[in-house]
Amino acid sequence: DQQVKQNSPSLSVQEGRISILNCDYTNSMFDYFLWYKKYPAEGPTFLISISSIKDKNEDGRFTVFLNKSAKHLSLHIVPSQPGDSAVYFCAASEYRNQFYFGTGTSLTVIP
Amino acid sequence: DGGITQSPKYLFRKEGQNVTLSCEQNLNHDAMYWYRQDPGQGLRLIYYSQIVNDFQKGDIAEGYSVSREKKESFPLTVTSAQKNPTAFYLCASSIAGGPEKLFFGSGTQLSVL
Repeated sequence: DQQVKQNSPSLSVQEGRISILNCDYTNSMFDYFLWYKKYPAEGPTFLISISSIKDKNEDGRFTVFLNKSAKHLSLHIVPSQPGDSAVYFCAASEYRNQFYFGTGTSLTVIP
Repeated sequence: DGGITQSPKYLFRKEGQNVTLSCEQNLNHDAMYWYRQDPGQGLRLIYYSQIVNDFQKGDIAEGYSVSREKKESFPLTVTSAQKNPTAFYLCASSIAGGPEKLFFGSGTQLSVL
């Protein structure tokens, strides 16, 4: 059973606008969440993380929001750039031992 | 330059054949992981190892085997018992006991002839 879900397989956004990628999880014991970016035929690269003691973490154009009561997190990219076009995975872990990944959202930023 | 090296980038397997995917890291990380990615699915954990000479099964270990004889190396063998081996395989490493994040290699695409 998928413990981490990304219900939108794809998203298209105009350059300069905001991209919002969503992720839901079922395990209330998850206490650490990450976002990864992946290009085809390459390994994922780390983007940003958030601990369950926070509800927001920001790094440049990337902001992750965590809503623990809704078991939901989102990644905001502002402003979106064509180079942001990639597949984005969210991941969650309990005590940072084993990481569970979502199915990914393919983001296309249109110039 | 520190990182994780996976080889080969592309691998073909014949029916009934065992194949081994290589993963080497020079990050001095204690923990290493193998994930499998199929189209439309997330990364699923095959095996992981927190320390040399010890490893645990992940969610989809059947048909796979690993060894961890050296800290730097965590090879994955896809055995003939794995009936659907075609996938993109990713190796990762992290600091054990509370990793901040996983570092991934560039992956191996395995296909069946």
